[in-house]
Amino acid sequence: DSGVTQTPKHLITATGQRVTLRCSPRSGDLSVYWYQQSLDQGLQFLIQYYNGEERAKGNILERFSAQQFPDLHSELNLSSLELGDSALYFCASSVVASGGYAGYTGELFFGEGSRLTVL
Amino acid sequence: GNSVTQMEGPVTLSEEAFLTINCTYTATGYPSLFWYVQYPGEGLQLLLKATKADDKGSNKGFEATYRKETTSFHLEKGSVQVSDSAVYFCALLVTGKLIFGQGTTLQVKP
Repeated sequence: DSGVTQTPKHLITATGQRVTLRCSPRSGDLSVYWYQQSLDQGLQFLIQYYNGEERAKGNILERFSAQQFPDLHSELNLSSLELGDSALYFCASSVVASGGYAGYTGELFFGEGSRLTVL
Repeated sequence: GNSVTQMEGPVTLSEEAFLTINCTYTATGYPSLFWYVQYPGEGLQLLLKATKADDKGSNKGFEATYRKETTSFHLEKGSVQVSDSAVYFCALLVTGKLIFGQGTTLQVKP
């Protein structure tokens, strides 16, 4: 058990719909990351938050958005869903020891993922 | 740009065989390197890491050496077990971003 909790574990929805995935990081971790894992694209970094603020952005579509709340949990919102959005979405958290890049250890703790199926 | 390339899988081995999964990287500066493992139905978990050239990371019988001259970080294990069956991801950390390779599936047969 990594200590990172993701809900829901499975989600089936239709094209054009909107869903919200939720993540609770490990106790004490200020940084939350979202990744998308699909068979054709592999593991793609979407976005990172640190203590409520967006810190880094990866290959995140404009239809997707995320936020981190004061209690440090995070939500990933996916809208106008397309068939190609079907994937496993992982949340990860980490301790960032200090500001700037020097505080990043690369040691991420991953949740078990939310599997999204768009029909 | 920064990227990681892993050997394609799946890799199928018999129990107690020697394992090598190749990983090479392209990066600016001096990245830290990692191997993560994903067991069936689970999230990724850190297996080992190395933060500078010639460092050797090791854990659970797995080893990898940071080779700057060949920009490689190959994963090895002397004797694999069925329980090692999983997907293995090589990754690099540069400018605060952790970039993963495509993953290599390992299947170990009894």
